[in-house]
Amino acid sequence: GAGVSQSPRYKVAKRGQDVALRCDPISGHVSLFWYQQALGQGPEFLTYFQNEAQLDKSGLPSDRFFAERPEGSVSTLKIQRTQQEDSAVYLCASSSRGVGNTIYFGEGSWLTVV
Amino acid sequence: GNSVTQMEGPVTLSEEAFLTINCTYTATGYPSLFWYVQYPGEGLQLLLKATKADDKGSNKGFEATYRKETTSFHLEKGSVQVSDSAVYFCALSVMGAQKLVFGQGTRLTINP
Repeated sequence: GAGVSQSPRYKVAKRGQDVALRCDPISGHVSLFWYQQALGQGPEFLTYFQNEAQLDKSGLPSDRFFAERPEGSVSTLKIQRTQQEDSAVYLCASSSRGVGNTIYFGEGSWLTVV
Repeated sequence: GNSVTQMEGPVTLSEEAFLTINCTYTATGYPSLFWYVQYPGEGLQLLLKATKADDKGSNKGFEATYRKETTSFHLEKGSVQVSDSAVYFCALSVMGAQKLVFGQGTRLTINP
């Protein structure tokens, strides 16, 4: 597609519910990133894929967070048993080859846990 | 560790004013430096970047110079426009690490 597409754009979840956030990167982009952006803060790195391989998941805040990219294209970020502190914007980004090339960001998925 | 500190906002200026948004960094290694911009209702966009000391990144009238001696990458524009109203993020990446480290962002509002 023309840009990085994320869905849903807005999600309200009850505490304890599981959520899944989808990212469609720019076609052909090898690298895919997930970031978490709390209100009024800068984005914080969660995880990085090169094709289908998850090469860095050091930013995932707990084992309730799980990301996958099984065919090296679309990626899903799953949050189990959501908690209020998970409320944030989740940003997906892609690039043709790592951070050295320009990273393109999606508009984000706004998650509110009530 | 690696971190970025930005000038606190919000910043409000009149059209045609001179803009500076300060950014300093701490890094293990030799980082690349970036400014990203987030316009209302849009995703983050790369504004400019610099990959080595004394490099100047520029785009859309904005400039920033990589100053290793002061570990800074301040964003400047000589004459701002209403359309420059956005949130600006300074960021770095360190060679070998496939991730960006962002500052907290500075909200800029330009009044006509």
